[in-house]
Amino acid sequence: QLQLQESGPGLVKPSETLSLTCTVSGGFISSGSYYWGWIRQPPGKELEWIGSIYYSGSTFYNPSLKSRVTITVDSSKNRFSLNLSSVTAADTAVFYCARHSLVEMDYWGQGALVTVSS
Amino acid sequence: QTVVTQEPSLTVSPGGTVTLTCASSTGAVTSGYYPNWFQQKPGQAPRPLIYSTSNRQSWTPARFSGSLLGGKAALTLSGVQPEDEAEYYCLLYYGGLWVFGGGTKLTVL
Repeated sequence: QLQLQESGPGLVKPSETLSLTCTVSGGFISSGSYYWGWIRQPPGKELEWIGSIYYSGSTFYNPSLKSRVTITVDSSKNRFSLNLSSVTAADTAVFYCARHSLVEMDYWGQGALVTVSS
Repeated sequence: QTVVTQEPSLTVSPGGTVTLTCASSTGAVTSGYYPNWFQQKPGQAPRPLIYSTSNRQSWTPARFSGSLLGGKAALTLSGVQPEDEAEYYCLLYYGGLWVFGGGTKLTVL
């Protein structure tokens, strides 16, 4: 059974960079034609796709966040990471990592709350 | 900017049938948008229900069905149960870009 687990600081200061890691177990990031993505959900609001990295390393970002987002993969540690720079209070959200293909987004992590505050 | 629109809220009686829809600002939703549907309950991660328009996940009850209806993606719940009360989100694919709908809060009353 594939499992994904987000980890990282729960509190980030305004203007700094938010960094999260998603560790995958029960399967390998480098095997199969999958994307590994990040989704966020501000408190009480809807889901927003942030971006994804293909197993080959190609990246795809939400145009509204593209200038501040970097997603990388470390296949040797079977994990992928999100960096979101120049954060403000509006970036406070629960961040989810997920595995997906073109046709389905089938495995999600449990989510990690990140609060942006001084 | 691409916008995916869902009904903000719907109410259904236990045992009833309800259809949620998912529209695209770019025009009619087709199978090439690979519509996905997710159920989310408070404090939980979204749970995948339907992928590629009409395919149920292995854990999705048969009372959930997906389709294309009038240029939109649709999720129909038949024989609604009290535990189906939740927020439902659709997801559409736009060629290297994935966009979630704003969600539908389904109340079972």
